[in-house]
Amino acid sequence: AQSVTQLDSQVPVFEEAPVELRCNYSSSVSVYLFWYVQYPNQGLQLLLKYLSGSTLVKGINGFEAEFNKSQTSFHLRKPSVHISDTAEYFCAVIFSGSARQLTFGSGTQLTVLP
Amino acid sequence: GAGVSQSPSNKVTEKGKDVELRCDPISGHTALYWYRQSLGQGLEFLIYFQGNSAPDKSGLPSDRFSAERTGGSVSTLTIQRTQQEDSAVYLCASSLAAGSGEKLFFGSGTQLSVL
Repeated sequence: AQSVTQLDSQVPVFEEAPVELRCNYSSSVSVYLFWYVQYPNQGLQLLLKYLSGSTLVKGINGFEAEFNKSQTSFHLRKPSVHISDTAEYFCAVIFSGSARQLTFGSGTQLTVLP
Repeated sequence: GAGVSQSPSNKVTEKGKDVELRCDPISGHTALYWYRQSLGQGLEFLIYFQGNSAPDKSGLPSDRFSAERTGGSVSTLTIQRTQQEDSAVYLCASSLAAGSGEKLFFGSGTQLSVL
């Protein structure tokens, strides 16, 4: 079955430190990849997406992600985090032939500590 | 409207009762999606609409769940004879059209608690 895995449910990190949130998917078909962020008491918003082209994708708020087809991964990174980055981060995938359904990972709670 | 609006924001109900959750998409968005986020789990796809029709209902967890969309705008998700396992945040999203790579705009969700 096609699935999306976010291994880290909680990631605490100190302010101004780098962070990487991991995302792996299980599929050999073509994929479109997304990262969404949910700030406390708010709805989801799109951080960045990979559809085609360059495997390094830059998003809002200084985040970037790299698509690695051989490792079926799409890890999210930021070189220096801020307190305001504290939120839940969801990786999502559209698998080719899936009728445009987004399959989400279980989410990673990023907590930035002062 | 300015964004995707969902109502109510919170709903507490007793087991066995029916509930209706409403979603107002962004004006002009033809595609509308319902997702469910249970505690400790990821987002689960329920159903999506293109206009008023629902090409994909595969995510609805049981026949107690149904959804409709009228006038290509407002959508209602109905859960009949609610069970405790239905407790979750129900999220609605809309986009200009249903196509790979489209940007989804999400509402803030309805927190459903079944006692």
